[in-house]
Amino acid sequence: DVKVTQSSRYLVKRTGEKVFLECVQDMDHENMFWYRQDPGLGLRLIYFSYDVKMKEKGDIPEGYSVSREKKERFSLILESASTNQTSMYLCASSLESHNEKLFFGSGTQLSVL
Amino acid sequence: AQKITQTQPGMFVQEKEAVTLDCTYDTSDPSYGLFWYKQPSSGEMIFLIYQGSYDQQNATEGRYSLNFQKARKSANLVISASQLGDSAMYFCAMKETSGSRLTFGEGTQLTVNP
Repeated sequence: DVKVTQSSRYLVKRTGEKVFLECVQDMDHENMFWYRQDPGLGLRLIYFSYDVKMKEKGDIPEGYSVSREKKERFSLILESASTNQTSMYLCASSLESHNEKLFFGSGTQLSVL
Repeated sequence: AQKITQTQPGMFVQEKEAVTLDCTYDTSDPSYGLFWYKQPSSGEMIFLIYQGSYDQQNATEGRYSLNFQKARKSANLVISASQLGDSAMYFCAMKETSGSRLTFGEGTQLTVNP
């Protein structure tokens, strides 16, 4: 069974801390994505990667960076966490094709205090 | 730029009845794919159905069907014979052939009443 695993289900951090959200997929997918989900706003794309060491900005990249050193792992980094980054973060992966669906992880609820 | 709009923040339906969740989109790409996902209170995102822009027939998957009207740029999800377990948030999404990203709408919270 295909799987996208996010390292933490819940995370509480302090303002100014550096935060790492990890995501691993076991499907050999080329594409990996980081979204954040906020009530009334749906899912908004932060960054995505279409290959190892390749990344592209999504719609809301400010305050975030990403790392993809291996095909199966895609990390989201909050360099200096702020309270407005409190959100649900969803990682996803897919094959490289326009009709390929995304497989999602179970999400990380991040609270920045 | 692609855009997806779901105008119904919340919908209610009686058990065993059908319900339509609206989705409109905007794109200049002639080739694209449309997706619907379900997100129960547990938070997982569950893929429901896919429609390609060049598909001649409307997609169906069990109790789910997609009412695809290309000229109107709408891709409404129809759930037949609603069940209590259908209560969830539903997201419409689009992916253009020219890109890899999936753009989501704001979501519709569906509540099925017994």
